[in-house]
Amino acid sequence: LAKTTQPISMDSYEGQEVNITCSHNNIATNDYITWYQQFPSQGPRFIIQGYKTKVTNEVASLFIPADRKSSTLSLPRVSLSDTAVYYCLVGFGGSQGNLIFGKGTKLSVKP
Amino acid sequence: GAVVSQHPSRVICKSGTSVKIECRSLDFQATTMFWYRQFPKQSLMLMATSNEGSKATYEQGVEKDKFLINHASLTLSTLTVTSAHPEDSSFYICSARATQETQYFGPGTRLLVL
Repeated sequence: LAKTTQPISMDSYEGQEVNITCSHNNIATNDYITWYQQFPSQGPRFIIQGYKTKVTNEVASLFIPADRKSSTLSLPRVSLSDTAVYYCLVGFGGSQGNLIFGKGTKLSVKP
Repeated sequence: GAVVSQHPSRVICKSGTSVKIECRSLDFQATTMFWYRQFPKQSLMLMATSNEGSKATYEQGVEKDKFLINHASLTLSTLTVTSAHPEDSSFYICSARATQETQYFGPGTRLLVL
């Protein structure tokens, strides 16, 4: 079971790039890394997923070093609407790693 | 991405009554769905794994007779909170496994037990 560790909170300003790092030292060979965004009173929303190196989509990038013991979610040019809690989950299939939520990172974007 | 819906979005009930929450995967089939509970300012806590055509698997400390789960089809799982009490008031969220590595979440159901 890959346990994840993230910063509890981060502050940023509109237009800045935000990088949130997640540590997962005991990630297993088959495990994928998935990031979710959650607004108050809403279910988590899938942001991005990766296995190794770099993944980019229309909203974010995910950087995974060769040892895969950590990952970094990069949000380019954040806006006020990006204020939310961000969770990283690590796991695959029947493993519960991708079902166990840590405390997440509360990102506050200021004008 | 895949879409998961929940109904109702919000429910208020009297203590002692039962409440049913539906979770549907709208554009994909899900043999496995999950139910979570989230209290204010806390993270999501996994309650149970719902398997189509078989019994649900409950996490330690979750009463299976209180939280009844039925996964009758590949697109529908229901959670029934039986004899609800004020301490059951919470935000209930379901998710559906679209692939081995990815689950998509519903919008959540706010339950308030008076």
